[in-house]
Amino acid sequence: GEDVEQSLFLSVREGDSSVINCTYTDSSSTYLYWYKQEPGAGLQLLTYIFSNMDMKQDQRLTVLLNKKDKHLSLRIADTQTGDSAIYFCAEEGSYQKVTFGTGTKLQVIP
Amino acid sequence: NAGVTQTPKFQVLKTGQSMTLQCAQDMNHNSMYWYRQDPGMGLRLIYYSASEGTTDKGEVPNGYNVSRLNKREFSLRLESAAPSQTSVYFCASSEGRGGGYTFGSGTRLTVV
Repeated sequence: GEDVEQSLFLSVREGDSSVINCTYTDSSSTYLYWYKQEPGAGLQLLTYIFSNMDMKQDQRLTVLLNKKDKHLSLRIADTQTGDSAIYFCAEEGSYQKVTFGTGTKLQVIP
Repeated sequence: NAGVTQTPKFQVLKTGQSMTLQCAQDMNHNSMYWYRQDPGMGLRLIYYSASEGTTDKGEVPNGYNVSRLNKREFSLRLESAAPSQTSVYFCASSEGRGGGYTFGSGTRLTVV
């Protein structure tokens, strides 16, 4: 079946850029998503990119998609302590089936 | 604008007890989902409902049943709880392809 992989942990200093990476296997992916989960809360949709796009920018967030390598990344500019959370990558393939990664815990050091 | 509302937020059950987790959305979404989240395993789909009147099994349906009561409500039932069902349960809804999911705040269930 489809698989989405992420590294488990990332630590950055406040003010630096964070880059969270994700790889997926489904060649029929149409939409790819990034979600944020703060402690004790549900997942919140941050941004998404359509599979025919290479890049999408939304304020401090930049999503890069390399469809050939099935690689997705989320760059957070000027990372703040409020960005500390778990970030999930997800891909939507055939029949609107969505597969989530295991999440990357971002720790921002003041 | 409430979004997706789940009840209860916390629950402790004894092995063998039954309970129903409630979920309601006010966004007029057609599709609704139940996930469980366990450490190191991400989100796993239990059941989903693509539209009112339909339900389908996801990745880990054993031990669970669901009811799509109407367009707004989608409940998850544990008939005989087991310790392996200790988890955080999330309900989500979606307007369709490309719309992403809106999640509830979760139900933290412990089975002892």
